[in-house]
Amino acid sequence: GGIITQTPKFLIGQEGQKLTLKCQQNFNHDTMYWYRQDSGKGLRLIYYSITENDLQKGDLSEGYDASREKKSSFSLTVTSAQKNEMAVFLCASRDSNNQAPLFGEGTRLSVL
Amino acid sequence: GEQVEQLPSSLIVQEGASVLINCSYTDSASVYFPWYKQEPGKRLQFIIDIRSNMERKQNQRLTLLFDKKTKHLSLHITATQPGDSAIYFCSASIGTGGYKVVFGSGTRLL
Repeated sequence: GGIITQTPKFLIGQEGQKLTLKCQQNFNHDTMYWYRQDSGKGLRLIYYSITENDLQKGDLSEGYDASREKKSSFSLTVTSAQKNEMAVFLCASRDSNNQAPLFGEGTRLSVL
Repeated sequence: GEQVEQLPSSLIVQEGASVLINCSYTDSASVYFPWYKQEPGKRLQFIIDIRSNMERKQNQRLTLLFDKKTKHLSLHITATQPGDSAIYFCSASIGTGGYKVVFGSGTRLL
């Protein structure tokens, strides 16, 4: 079976720092997603990628960059970490638009 | 406004009882609606989905109802068990091609 691996699991950054989160999937899925989940809240879409080298902005793209250089990987960069920011970043992928995205375990970000 | 609205935000239920979680969406072109369960410390788990050409789908104790006219979905969980305690999320594929997937704010079931 396939798996979605997010690294790192925990990330502690400093205010103003540029931070990169990585996501790998071995399902050979075309579409990949990055979501942000704040404590006790829903998922907000940051970026998604329909295929290799494609990037689409979600509803929360400001303050983030993304990169899909290979079909299997999708990285997210926080361009300038905000003080006291705490959230979980979730990566997902799916094969087609008639299937549910599958999720990784998340990267938990804390900014000091 | 919100693209997917989910209510209630939390529910307390007695073991063995049934619960109903409601979602509404705004994009009339949406055709696919997956639902998820999130247990503490675990990844989001896909539990059931429905397409816009269906009105009802059942998976064991889960029944998902879909009303295209009102743009409304309901997830019915019967005979609830302690293991059902989690946050439940509805989602919808929206936009051209349905690639974009947006989520409701979640329902915490206790």
